[in-house]
Amino acid sequence: GAGVSQSPSNKVTEKGKDVELRCDPISGHTALYWYRQRLGQGLEFLIYFQGNSAPDKSGLPSDRFSAERTGESVSTLTIQRTQQEDSAVYLCASSSRGLAGTSTDTQYFGPGTRLTVL
Amino acid sequence: AQSVAQPEDQVNVAEGNPLTVKCTYSVSGNPYLFWYVQYPNRGLQFLLKYITGDNLVKGSYGFEAEFNKSQTSFHLKKPSALVSDSALYFCAVRDLANSGYALNFGKGTSLLVTP
Repeated sequence: GAGVSQSPSNKVTEKGKDVELRCDPISGHTALYWYRQRLGQGLEFLIYFQGNSAPDKSGLPSDRFSAERTGESVSTLTIQRTQQEDSAVYLCASSSRGLAGTSTDTQYFGPGTRLTVL
Repeated sequence: AQSVAQPEDQVNVAEGNPLTVKCTYSVSGNPYLFWYVQYPNRGLQFLLKYITGDNLVKGSYGFEAEFNKSQTSFHLKKPSALVSDSALYFCAVRDLANSGYALNFGKGTSLLVTP
C-alpha cells in the first residue's frame, strides 16, 4: 500500500536546462495534482488531471511548464529552459473521485522534488 | 482575493497546554476545508477535513477543527500539545466556483511546542 511517490527527491540543474519530474500516484486514484512550494510560502496549484478528461492547466505559470499523464498512471512535469525563480519544491498529490463525482475526495501528497536552479 | 488566510506565521505553546492554529476563508459557495501538516523535508500529511455536517471535525493525532460559518473560520485545535506536534500547518479550501478541484492553501503557520 504505497503512497504517492516522486522522483528524483532532489534535482540541481543549471539555468537554461530542461528538467523532468515524475509522480507515481496511489494505485486506483483517478485524480492527480501538481503544486509548487517556494521557500517560506504556501502551495501554488499548477495542473490537475482527472481520468481521461482534459487537464486543468490554469495554474501553470508560463509556457515553459508542461505536464503529461497517461490514463490514471504516472505523470511527468517538464520545465523547459529553467530559470532561478523555478527553484522550489514540486509536490504531487492524488485523490480518488468520490461517489457520483463528488468533490470531497482528500488529496494525498508525495514527498516532493526539491529543484534548485543555479 | 485570497481564499484562505492564516494570520499567524508562528504559534508557540508549552507542552501540555491547548493549542489553536487559526484559519479564515473566503469562498463564494459552500467551503470544503482541509488541514495538512508538514514535517521538515517531508510532504504534506492530511489531518482532517470539513465537508458538511457536524461543525466539530476530529482528525488524526488528536487534532480537531471547528467550522464557524458566521466567522468564516476553521481553526485547528488540540487539547494538549506535544513536542512532536512542532511542524508547519497548512489550511486549505476547495473553491469549486473559482478554482475547481485544486486546493487553495494558506501560507502556513509554524507551530513550536516547547518542553
